Amino acid sequence: EIVLTQSPGTLSLSPGERATLSCRASQKVNSSNYLAWYQQKRGQAPRLLIYGESSRATGIPIRFSGGGSGTDFTLAIARLEPEDSAVYYCQQYSSSPGTFGQGTKVEIK
Amino acid sequence: EVQLVESGGGLVQPGRSLRLSCTASGFTFGDYAMHWVRQAPGKGLEWVSGISWNSDDIGYADSVKGRFSIARDNAKDSLYLEMNSLRTEDTAFYYCAKGPYASSWSTSRFDSWGQGTLVTVSS
Repeated sequence: EIVLTQSPGTLSLSPGERATLSCRASQKVNSSNYLAWYQQKRGQAPRLLIYGESSRATGIPIRFSGGGSGTDFTLAIARLEPEDSAVYYCQQYSSSPGTFGQGTKVEIK
Repeated sequence: EVQLVESGGGLVQPGRSLRLSCTASGFTFGDYAMHWVRQAPGKGLEWVSGISWNSDDIGYADSVKGRFSIARDNAKDSLYLEMNSLRTEDTAFYYCAKGPYASSWSTSRFDSWGQGTLVTVSS
């Protein structure tokens, strides 16, 4: 199975700053870039942010953007807001079983 | 608005069984594959099982294969997970999740999630 490694483990930034989260796959995610990002706030279920590597899910602000290809992917959050405090997970659904990264915690100072 | 509501969690002894349910609303349940995803307290996410729209195709994670069974009843807009021979390592929040397509049962993104139900396996 494909192992996803996320970095950094924790990101501590101030409101208005830009966050860049990394997700590295142990094998190539196929050409359709079946890579998704989820946000999970404390005590809540995960929420789909980005899919197909760069498409925003319904209702997701344009501050959130995804990129990358092959084995290296990024989630960028422009102009951080206090409500962006959460754990962010990447997921590959290119090969079965779909797998998740271990998560990056974003803290807002 | 899509809503997924899980139920059936609780405290159970190792080796015993438990059945989880998920009731869906806000979309045509029978048109989509559905999944169970779990999360041990304070840990990451793990796909558990998926089922196609018509139940013809079903998949399980290796960690639960042979012990868990997924099913759905499209007439009742409901998804189920029968969990047998439970182990302490099965302790987790279990989320019901909707796939984007009818046949995305084995590998999929999850575009809607329920709030989860906690299963605790302990003696």
